[in-house]
Amino acid sequence: DTGVSQDPRHKITKRGQNVTFRCDPISEHNRLYWYRQTLGQGPEFLTYFQNEAQLEKSRLLSDRFSAERPKGSFSTLEIQRTEQGDSAMYLCASTTEGSTDTQYFGPGTRLTVL
Amino acid sequence: QKEVEQDPGPLSVPEGAIVSLNCTYSNSAFQYFMWYRQYSRKGPELLMYTYSSGNKEDGRFTAQVDKSSKYISLFIRDSQPSDSATYLCAMSGRGGYQKVTFGIGTKLQVIP
Repeated sequence: DTGVSQDPRHKITKRGQNVTFRCDPISEHNRLYWYRQTLGQGPEFLTYFQNEAQLEKSRLLSDRFSAERPKGSFSTLEIQRTEQGDSAMYLCASTTEGSTDTQYFGPGTRLTVL
Repeated sequence: QKEVEQDPGPLSVPEGAIVSLNCTYSNSAFQYFMWYRQYSRKGPELLMYTYSSGNKEDGRFTAQVDKSSKYISLFIRDSQPSDSATYLCAMSGRGGYQKVTFGIGTKLQVIP
């Protein structure tokens, strides 16, 4: 499968716990994006990497959120001290430099915070 | 006011109907316009992509962009039950990277 993959697909956690999600982009794509989507809403931009550099973070990304892309390949998104308001679908997308904005999305990780 | 406005629906049509989905936007910097289809509990799937104003056709799908009115449309001809999904308009500007701003999505149901 040459598409964007995300793991896990579903995560249920208790409030206050830490969670980490992983995204594997399409192999030749050097740009990677994280979005959050809540029920009945469109995806909202969280952060963006070009290779291993994190170039922008949305104000939606509070101090409890951290994202990394250590070798410019896969990326992780960690949420510390989860809150019920963090319950959402977390989507990863990738594209390649010089492309025409055609971001390809993974299946998402659905997070439920109890 | 949101940068991208989209009617959430739901929109129900009989099989074979022509479907018209629309979005308006306020940011003049948007240059790239996209339509994504999203099935329940799945990630968005890119359907159509258009740069600047104009029309683009791909099979049963036609995308139109009118930058002067800040209005984009997606038409689906001969709609099928398998077209039932949420359709998200999305757009971005030019620059070193392309943060995409999405509409809320319109839920479409095609009834057999």
